[in-house]
Formats: sequence, C-alpha cells, structure tokens
Amino acid sequence: GDSVTQMEGPVTLSEEAFLTINCTYTATGYPSLFWYVQYPGEGLQLLLKATKADDKGSNKGFEATYRKETTSFHLEKGSVQVSDSAVYFCALSHPQGGSEKLVFGKGTKLTVNP
Amino acid sequence: KAGVTQTPRYLIKTRGQQVTLSCSPISGHRSVSWYQQTPGQGLQFLFEYFSETQRNKGNFPGRFSGRQFSNSRSEMNVSTLELGDSALYLCASSVAGTAQETQYFGPGTRLLVL
Repeated sequence: GDSVTQMEGPVTLSEEAFLTINCTYTATGYPSLFWYVQYPGEGLQLLLKATKADDKGSNKGFEATYRKETTSFHLEKGSVQVSDSAVYFCALSHPQGGSEKLVFGKGTKLTVNP
Repeated sequence: KAGVTQTPRYLIKTRGQQVTLSCSPISGHRSVSWYQQTPGQGLQFLFEYFSETQRNKGNFPGRFSGRQFSNSRSEMNVSTLELGDSALYLCASSVAGTAQETQYFGPGTRLLVL
C-alpha cells in the first residue's frame, strides 16, 4: 500500500538557519503530495502542496518540489524563525478510487531557538 | 468563513463506555474525513464521508463508526472504549473530496480513556 517516510526528529536549529526535512513516498501512479504543520495544541494546517511531477509548492518561505524520479518531496526553508517551531507532516493522497484519504508520515518536530 | 469546528474539545471516559464526537465542516464543504492521532501510531485515517455516504474506511475495528447528515455535519462513535482509544481525533473537510484538494482540519477532540 501507499506509505510516506520522513526523517525522524526532533530537529533543533538556531534562528536564520537553513531547514531541510526529507520526505519520500511509496505509491503507484501520481499521488498528490502535501506538507501539513501542527502547532502545539492545534489541528493541522496545510503548508503547501503539489499535485503533479516537477511542481513546486511554496508558502511562507517554505518550498518543496515533487520529484517523481526519486519519489521525494523534501521541505526546505532558507531562514527559519522561532515561530516556525512546530511538527511537520508529509502526506500523500491517491487520485485512484475517488477518495481523498491522506497517508501521513510520522512527523518531524522542529524547534527553533533564538 | 468559519473553519472546521469539533465538539467537544476534551473528553474523559472510562473503559467500556461509548462516546460520540461531532464535526461541523466549513460551509459549502461536502466531504468530511476523520483521523486518529496517537504518539505511537501517528496519524491514521478512520473514514471519509461524502454526501452522507461512507466512501472509504481505514483499518479500525467495528467499534468505530460514523455518519454524515444532510447538512454535511458528521459524527463518529466509538463503542466499548479501550485504553488504547485515547487519542486526538481530527476531522477534516473539503469541497468535493478529491485527492488534489486541500483538506481543512479542525482543532480536534482529545479523548482520554481511563
């Protein structure tokens, strides 16, 4: 079945450092790929998404590119802020079967220190 | 536009009891999905409803059930609660429930089973 693997955390960075969180997936065909973020005590918020190969999703300085050849969707940000401290989830949904079911990675906790 | 709302936000039950959780989607959204989040298993898909029909179901025992009403509001029920059912239950809504769409999550209901 479909699966998502993302780097284990926690990740601790200093403010203005470069961030990469790796995400790879296993799925047939062309799934849609997402990054969601969860702040303490809250639900999930969509950070960015890409629905076809070579698409780049971007939002709030975060970027991720859908790489079909490496089945990856790594999250990057050039300069993190303390306010970026949260748990980040990579996820996919498969267009086959007419369902929007999301398959999530385990999550990566990011802490940014001032 | 109001976001996804879930009630109650917190719940404490004892083993063997049953519980009903409620989710009100964003106005105009017809698809509702439910997820269970635990530290050990992460985020797992429970079920998805579209226009009052269950369209997909995750790998959970029959004690977990749900339904959707004509106004798109959804409820999930867990009968004969077990300690392992303690979790954050998240509801998400989208317009038509396609794989490419963004799902908007509510803040969750935190269930503690004693």
